[in-house]
Amino acid sequence: SQKIEQNSEALNIQEGKTATLTCNYTNYSPAYLQWYRQDPGRGPVFLLLIRENEKEKRKERLKVTFDTTLKQSLFHITASQPADSATYLCALGGDTGRRALTFGSGTRLQVQP
Amino acid sequence: GAGVSQSPSNKVTEKGKDVELRCDPISGHTALYWYRQSLGQGLEFLIYFQGNSAPDKSGLPSDRFSAERTGGSVSTLTIQRTQQEDSAVYLCASSLGSGTVYSGNTIYFGEGSWLTVV
Repeated sequence: SQKIEQNSEALNIQEGKTATLTCNYTNYSPAYLQWYRQDPGRGPVFLLLIRENEKEKRKERLKVTFDTTLKQSLFHITASQPADSATYLCALGGDTGRRALTFGSGTRLQVQP
Repeated sequence: GAGVSQSPSNKVTEKGKDVELRCDPISGHTALYWYRQSLGQGLEFLIYFQGNSAPDKSGLPSDRFSAERTGGSVSTLTIQRTQQEDSAVYLCASSLGSGTVYSGNTIYFGEGSWLTVV
């Protein structure tokens, strides 16, 4: 069956460290993958998109990798700050026959000052 | 408006009643999506509208759920005979939607309608 797996346990790190979040999927062939941030009581907000032919994408302190062989994306936040504390969702898109994004359940990140 | 607008922001209803949730997408966005998010869970796809094409209803959980989009803009999600398991946040999103979803257009979410069925 098709699955998108994100670590359901919260990730706690110290301010200034690099946070690394994982998104694994099975039985999908996405054309691209997106990462969203969601704060409590708010809708998700788009952060980054990476296409299947891209290995890595960067935006300020964010870096995303996409390995279609491993069926995995890694999301890194460098020099993390308490304001980065939120839930981060990965979403797959462009899979044959699917017309909307499919989301993982998200990983909650807590950055301690 | 500048963003996706949803109403009501909160709704408490009695089991068995019908509810309507409204979504106003970003002006000019041809694609509109409804997702559902239960407490602590990921987003569950419900329905997708793209321009004048037939909507993708493959995510609707039962025939108690329906949605329409009038004039290619505002959308209404209707839940008939609500059940307690319908309690969730209903999120609407829109995107430019040019071409197909394969183009990777960013989708913009509203703040959601929090539905509680008692």
